[in-house]
Amino acid sequence: DVVMTQSPLSLPVTLGQPASISCRSSQSLVFSDGNTYLNWFQQRPGQSPRRLIYKVSNRDSGVPDRFSGSGSDTDFTLQISRVEAEDVGVYYCMQGTHWPRTFGQGTKVEIK
Amino acid sequence: EVLLLESGGDLVQPGGSLRLSCAASGFTFSSYTMSWVRQVPGKGLEWVSSISSGVTYYADSMKGRFTVSRDDSKDTLYLQMNSLRAEDTAMYYCVRGVRTPDYWGQGTLVTVSS
Repeated sequence: DVVMTQSPLSLPVTLGQPASISCRSSQSLVFSDGNTYLNWFQQRPGQSPRRLIYKVSNRDSGVPDRFSGSGSDTDFTLQISRVEAEDVGVYYCMQGTHWPRTFGQGTKVEIK
Repeated sequence: EVLLLESGGDLVQPGGSLRLSCAASGFTFSSYTMSWVRQVPGKGLEWVSSISSGVTYYADSMKGRFTVSRDDSKDTLYLQMNSLRAEDTAMYYCVRGVRTPDYWGQGTLVTVSS
């Protein structure tokens, strides 16, 4: 199975400051169609997960532009340019290239 | 508006069975691969199973115990769970898609305990 490793697992951030979450995969996530199926999800307390980013860097409709995704092959990053109070929650990366699909352990973002 | 509404979660004894359902609306259900993802309370996300046009996929720990199916005439996804174990206790989410899953239901809680 492809192992997805996130860091850090806990991220205390000051409001208005940037935040960055790393996600590394144990195998390349480039699929035979040329796409890289790396997704990012946000799970706010008490809610279902919500997709923020798909195929590395494509932001979903309604997702604030302070969220951005980048990376390639096995190394990916989710960045929040200026953290707001509503960004508190757990963030997961997930690969959709290989079977079985696998998620990172989650990164808990909290306000300092 | 895309809606996914899970049901069927319950308290069940170890070794028991349960069938989860997911009623979909707001999109052409038959055109999408559908998936189940679970989450142990307070823990991370785990992909369970997916189904496209008659093709099914399972996580290794669920193979032989869980069966995913769908009724495109009813826009409904199912997960039949047999030989349930304590470690199957989790919130089970219905999810649209499998490579870039986009919409998630609110989840249904399965508790396996004597």
